[in-house]
Amino acid sequence: DSGVTQTPKHLITATGQRVTLRCSPRSGDLSVYWYQQSLDQGLQFLIQYYNGEERAKGNILERFSAQQFPDLHSELNLSSLELGDSALYFCASSVFPGATNEKLFFGSGTQLSVL
Amino acid sequence: SQKIEQNSEALNIQEGKTATLTCNYTNYSPAYLQWYRQDPGRGPVFLLLIRENEKEKRKERLKVTFDTTLKQSLFHITASQPADSATYLCALDSPRRALTFGSGTRLQVQP
Repeated sequence: DSGVTQTPKHLITATGQRVTLRCSPRSGDLSVYWYQQSLDQGLQFLIQYYNGEERAKGNILERFSAQQFPDLHSELNLSSLELGDSALYFCASSVFPGATNEKLFFGSGTQLSVL
Repeated sequence: SQKIEQNSEALNIQEGKTATLTCNYTNYSPAYLQWYRQDPGRGPVFLLLIRENEKEKRKERLKVTFDTTLKQSLFHITASQPADSATYLCALDSPRRALTFGSGTRLQVQP
């Protein structure tokens, strides 16, 4: 158990809908990362937060947004869903980003299926 | 742009042999490189980190090398076991200041 909690584990929805994925980082970790993993794209970095502030942005679509709350949990919002958004979404956390020994602890992911 | 390449074909080896996985990268000089293990339907799990000034790192049956001239890392599992069967991902720090992952290589250890 990595200590990173993601909910829900599975999500089935229709095109055009909006969903929210939730992540609680490991106790003491200040940084949260979101990754998307699909069969043909591998693990793609979406966005990173540190202590409530956006720190780095990857290949995140404009239809997607995220935030990190004062209690350090994070939510990833996906809107106007398309079939191609079906993927496994991972949250990861670390103590402090940019440290030379930084390593990520991943949650078990949310499997999103858009029908 | 930065590119990370791992062999997309699965690696099949016999139990007890040494598995060697390759990670090549271009257009960047990372400060460090990491290896993760991922089982089906699960999140990646950190295994080893090696810095640019280190040539080799070991942990139990695992060994990682880092050649910044060749822009390549090799990941070795000695005395492999069926339980080592998984997908192994290499990851590099990037200008975006977040880890960028390769697509991974699936290892299958036959009993």
